[in-house]
Amino acid sequence: AQSVSQHNHHVILSEAASLELGCNYSYGGTVNLFWYVQYPGQHLQLLLKYFSGDPLVKGIKGFEAEFIKSKFSFNLRKPSVQWSDTAEYFCAVIARAAGNKLTFGGGTRVLVKP
Amino acid sequence: EAQVTQNPRYLITVTGKKLTVTCSQNMNHEYMSWYRQDPGLGLRQIYYSMNVEVTDKGDVPEGYKVSRKEKRNFPLILESPSPNQTSLYFCASSGTGPQPQHFGDGTRLSIL
Repeated sequence: AQSVSQHNHHVILSEAASLELGCNYSYGGTVNLFWYVQYPGQHLQLLLKYFSGDPLVKGIKGFEAEFIKSKFSFNLRKPSVQWSDTAEYFCAVIARAAGNKLTFGGGTRVLVKP
Repeated sequence: EAQVTQNPRYLITVTGKKLTVTCSQNMNHEYMSWYRQDPGLGLRQIYYSMNVEVTDKGDVPEGYKVSRKEKRNFPLILESPSPNQTSLYFCASSGTGPQPQHFGDGTRLSIL
């Protein structure tokens, strides 16, 4: 079973709609959590990260993510998307239980229709 | 400008012909890593390096080798490439821990 799961493989929505992408992981104990974005034809960029503290994390470009420890989740949200948010989004986890190696989820392709 | 540079960007080659993908960073980062990206599987780590002469296997190291003789360079070597290594490869670096901060532009390898 995949250790980091992104259940939505493809999401299509219209501009100004709200976006929420799910990310669940299966590691117990201490985790560091990340969301990366890959725009068409480009390399990955870090959107936001969680290490500790406030479980609601704000990132670049209006994105935020909420760490819910009890649900082993780190969902990504944006209240109002733009066409330029069309990209593939990857959740990633560093878990002490996994030897502090970084593991990516399978990615979610988001298409925002103008 | 902070950069991770990979070469080549594209390569089509045949089974068994040794190849090397170079990766160089100009940020004096300690951590460097290699990933392959395949549809539906996200990015999977091949190898990583915490510093010069310190490397370790990631999740999918079979068929690959790396070396870290200098801080700036982290080449990926395929001694005897096979078609299942056809993929998009990314090199990454970080100065603050295992999570990548900067990625290269990618190398698309096709092994026939």
